[in-house]
Amino acid sequence: SFELTQPPSVSVSPGQTARITCLGDTLPKRYAFWYQQKSGQAPVLVIYDGSRRPSGIPGRFSGSSSGTTATLTITGAHVEDEADYYCASTDTPADRWVFGGGTRLTVL
Amino acid sequence: EVQVLESGGNLVQPGGSLRLSCEASGFNFRNYAMTWVRQAAGRGLEWLSSLSGSGSSKFYADSVRGRFTISRDNSKNTVFLHMDGLRAEDTAIYYCAKGQNTAIYPGGFDNWGRGTLVAVS
Repeated sequence: SFELTQPPSVSVSPGQTARITCLGDTLPKRYAFWYQQKSGQAPVLVIYDGSRRPSGIPGRFSGSSSGTTATLTITGAHVEDEADYYCASTDTPADRWVFGGGTRLTVL
Repeated sequence: EVQVLESGGNLVQPGGSLRLSCEASGFNFRNYAMTWVRQAAGRGLEWLSSLSGSGSSKFYADSVRGRFTISRDNSKNTVFLHMDGLRAEDTAIYYCAKGQNTAIYPGGFDNWGRGTLVAVS
C-alpha cells in the first residue's frame, strides 16, 4: 500500500507564507489534490491536478510538485485560513485514493 | 448550485447493517464519479469507495472491501453505500463527494455533503 506523509502542524503569523508538504512515492506520476477542512465543516477542494485552483478559491492558494513532494503554499496567510489541510492522490494504477494524515495550520 | 446530501446514518449494533444514501442535484449526475469518505472523531479523512459515472467501475479501500458495497441509481441522482458487518471502528461521519470527471481519476472531489453520522455500539 502507499502512503502520503504530511507534517502534523504548521504555524505562521498573518501575512506570512505557509507551506504544507506532502510526501509520497507515487507523486512523480500522479497529481496531488489539496482539501481544506475548517472545524466542524465538510472538506473543500482548494487545489486540483497539482496546481489548479477551483473557482472561488483565493489566489493566495497555490500548489506545486517536485519529485515525491507536493506542496501547498498560502502566500500571505489570513486568519480565516486556519484549518486542517489534507493532500490526496491515487495509487498506480488509479484504483484507490489515499489521504495524507492532515496538517493543522495555525495562523496567529 | 451543486448540492449533495447524505442520509441514513444511525446507531447500529456491531455486526449490523446500514445503507447510506446521497442525493445529488445541480449537475448531470450520470456524468460524474461519486465517492464516499469517512472521518472518525478527531481523526483524518479516510477514502472508502468510488464509483464511476456509468457505475461500471467500483473501487474500495482495503478496510471495507467485502463488507461495503457502493452503487448508484442515475435515474434518481442518488449514490448508496451499503454497509454490512459493522464494527466499532466504523464509527465516523460519512461524507459523500462528487468527482470532477466520470472516471475516478483524473480529478478530485469538488463538492462534498455535510456528512451523516454512523455509530456502531
